[in-house]
Amino acid sequence: NAGVTQTPKFQVLKTGQSMTLQCAQDMNHEYMSWYRQDPGMGLRLIHYSVGAGITDQGEVPNGYNVSRSTTEDFPLRLLSAAPSQTSVYFCASRGEYEQYFGPGTRLTVT
Amino acid sequence: DQQVKQNSPSLSVQEGRISILNCDYTNSMFDYFLWYKKYPAEGPTFLISISSIKDKNEDGRFTVFLNKSAKHLSLHIVPSQPGDSAVYFCAANPLTGGGNKLTFGTGTQLKVEL
Repeated sequence: NAGVTQTPKFQVLKTGQSMTLQCAQDMNHEYMSWYRQDPGMGLRLIHYSVGAGITDQGEVPNGYNVSRSTTEDFPLRLLSAAPSQTSVYFCASRGEYEQYFGPGTRLTVT
Repeated sequence: DQQVKQNSPSLSVQEGRISILNCDYTNSMFDYFLWYKKYPAEGPTFLISISSIKDKNEDGRFTVFLNKSAKHLSLHIVPSQPGDSAVYFCAANPLTGGGNKLTFGTGTQLKVEL
């Protein structure tokens, strides 16, 4: 089992560009989430999904879109990147109680 | 409003000794608590958890204690090993609100020295 995979590992964007961070899991989990990690801030929830076709906002959703067309995939879209979105992004899927995290995507917006 | 707080950003312990990492929370709706360990350039990995109906949970060298009245939990690592050097995040969850919405603390960097 690959668990939770994320691509790309690193990305540099210019302000105003758009991109999609990919996330996939092979554990057949219904729940998936996106977090961002910033220095001194811990991990903050951006968006989450309780199953295919169902998504909801987390603590810091502004500037990000998500969709969930399949159980396996949960992409995160940045529509118009801003320097404030420079961060490390983690995707997670939830087992019974604990969440399993991907390796992260380090995004820099210049 | 930081609902989960880890007030010690770093902790240094000698190999073989006990490491105690602390976490406080403010939201009384939290009823499930987790500890995650994170190495550089990797995602957090689940370590141990505790439900609010318990006050202690053990898994090998790792024990988590929960004091509900004080809204405080701690992670004990005995004995500490150099491979335990990592950032440890405390997280909390209101199970009745849906288990997807983990709230994380800011993390404690543990360094285990030889």
